[in-house]
Amino acid sequence: GAGVSQSPSNKVTEKGKDVELRCDPISGHTALYWYRQRLGQGLEFLIYFQGNSAPDKSGLPSDRFSAERTGESVSTLTIQRTQQEDSAVYLCASSLGGGGGSKTQYFGPGTRLLVL
Amino acid sequence: GENVEQHPSTLSVQEGDSAVIKCTYSDSASNYFPWYKQELGKGPQLIIDIRSNVGEKKDQRIAVTLNKTAKHFSLHITETQPEDSAVYFCAAIPLGSWGKLQFGAGTQVVVTP
Repeated sequence: GAGVSQSPSNKVTEKGKDVELRCDPISGHTALYWYRQRLGQGLEFLIYFQGNSAPDKSGLPSDRFSAERTGESVSTLTIQRTQQEDSAVYLCASSLGGGGGSKTQYFGPGTRLLVL
Repeated sequence: GENVEQHPSTLSVQEGDSAVIKCTYSDSASNYFPWYKQELGKGPQLIIDIRSNVGEKKDQRIAVTLNKTAKHFSLHITETQPEDSAVYFCAAIPLGSWGKLQFGAGTQVVVTP
């Protein structure tokens, strides 16, 4: 079946502009996660959605970052007034989630964001 | 919160030799430990995982061991092949925490023919 998909695959923007990144999770996965990966570094947790519960936003680095999810489907990560330090790969993952569900997270290919 | 340390940062091995990557974690409540392989330009792919009620798990040439007392876990790759070249990440997640996989910094593995 289809895996996690993300769009765009690459995004170049100018400092100060807003960007929107999209994630389509695996069908039936109730949990969705966003991570940031700076060049040559590990993955940094940003935000987590689980069903209809309030999202865990504890990893968002500033109020310029926000994310939404419609039900148990698509999610968008928005970065307002982009800065050069926002340049990174933004990875989305999904899992079955929920009590008793699998914790295994499946990742998409990522969106490579470059802020000039 | 959980803190995961991973060593070494780079690992060069001859084809056919074994590779070992080690990780330590800080939160004794962590109970799920996945390993991911990331090839250049791609997202991480789960290769093996282990839960805290198990000490060792194998899948063909890959094995993971867990020492809960010492709070460390290791990835073992035997009979390495050039296609094993990639960045490997360990991660941990505490009991009751469904999000927030805490990742190690990664190990760049290079397998030379």
